[in-house]
Amino acid sequence: SAVISQKPSRDICQRGTSLTIQCQVDSQVTMMFWYRQQPGQSLTLIATANQGSEATYESGFVIDKFPISRPNLTFSTLTVSNMSPEDSSIYLCSVGQGAGTGTEAFFGQGTRLTVV
Amino acid sequence: GNSVTQMEGPVTLSEEAFLTINCTYTATGYPSLFWYVQYPGEGLQLLLKATKADDKGSNKGFEATYRKETTSFHLEKGSVQVSDSAVYFCALSDSTGGFKTIFGAGTRLFVKA
Repeated sequence: SAVISQKPSRDICQRGTSLTIQCQVDSQVTMMFWYRQQPGQSLTLIATANQGSEATYESGFVIDKFPISRPNLTFSTLTVSNMSPEDSSIYLCSVGQGAGTGTEAFFGQGTRLTVV
Repeated sequence: GNSVTQMEGPVTLSEEAFLTINCTYTATGYPSLFWYVQYPGEGLQLLLKATKADDKGSNKGFEATYRKETTSFHLEKGSVQVSDSAVYFCALSDSTGGFKTIFGAGTRLFVKA
């Protein structure tokens, strides 16, 4: 299994500012994923963070709003830019481990963001 | 594309009642299937998984069987406890999706004493 540390665990931010969330994994992993969980909702994939190349974004998410870095195989950051109250959510980092289709996803504890 | 559909909640049961939460999926490949649980105020954790057709995943008294013919992965427990109150997410992952995990909407379970 993988142990994932995310920080900050929570923050309250002013609208118009940006917040960078860090994700550290205790082992090297090829792919890391960033999810958003809006209040009372399921998890929505924002993007796949690929080491050595640009992140791959899902429909509805763009790099200007959610820039992602992946400098090595154990670390990634997600920035939420120019925040508005609609960005208030839990943001989760995830990694996949396993071979073939038997991959299991592990999650950090999440960053609870409130934009005021 | 891949998707997961699960029954809407909330589901409210009395202690020791039988639980079923329905989950069906659509996938282009041969996915692995998962149930994740999120207890109040806690992070997401894996409850059980199945990686191929007819596999049964089980944990903490919960079971789910991978049914390829009906594209289903229903979660069951014979006797629920108050401590089972949580949100349950059905999910899938496969290689054609780059191993990313796709989640269902989640089903909130309340168990009354």
